[in-house]
Amino acid sequence: IAGITQAPTSQILAAGRRMTLRCTQDMRHNAMYWYRQDLGLGLRLIHYSNTAGTTGKGEVPDGYSVSRANTDDFPLTLASAVPSQTSVYFCASSDSGGGAQGYTFGSGTRLTVV
Amino acid sequence: GQNIDQPTEMTATEGAIVQINCTYQTSGFNGLFWYQQHAGEAPTFLSYNVLDGLEEKGRFSSFLSRSKGYSYLLLKELQMKDSASYLCAAMDSNYQLIWGAGTKLIIKP
Repeated sequence: IAGITQAPTSQILAAGRRMTLRCTQDMRHNAMYWYRQDLGLGLRLIHYSNTAGTTGKGEVPDGYSVSRANTDDFPLTLASAVPSQTSVYFCASSDSGGGAQGYTFGSGTRLTVV
Repeated sequence: GQNIDQPTEMTATEGAIVQINCTYQTSGFNGLFWYQQHAGEAPTFLSYNVLDGLEEKGRFSSFLSRSKGYSYLLLKELQMKDSASYLCAAMDSNYQLIWGAGTKLIIKP
């Protein structure tokens, strides 16, 4: 693993199903983030974690939950998927505060809810 | 409220220079970031400005004016591989990034 790994790469999901998007980083970054990216809207923050054991809500948290049991893993769960959750999901990480190096992003998960 | 504005799309010619502008309004300010995103790929970090002035990195330069809430990304000697979206993001007082919708840059031969 080098950087951030997201899985799956893409998924078609039936509405109402539960789904967990996985994110693992090997850079020992304290902070991790989940974004969704929709055409014309830019990146929108879903949830974040400043350090293991803590999480916070972003701009669009409804319908999503996260956990941060350790430094490396930050899974995102859709409890009951709806078509409006069709999007590309990016996981990112950073040293505390982002700093001069900014965020490092995973390659993304393209999710289609039908 | 917090807001980032940047043009939706720009077109430039291979070998030329292009400037992508970004204006921002945030609750507090802890720096301005530029990212490059090729179609279907993840954003990659290009630059970070926290003080006024110009930062140069090879063919790419980024400028910041905190008093004006303004930044630009300057790309010189454009190459076809520079065709991508360029995302402007400002970090607020909570160290959260506020993102613009991105500027799609089209390079023509």
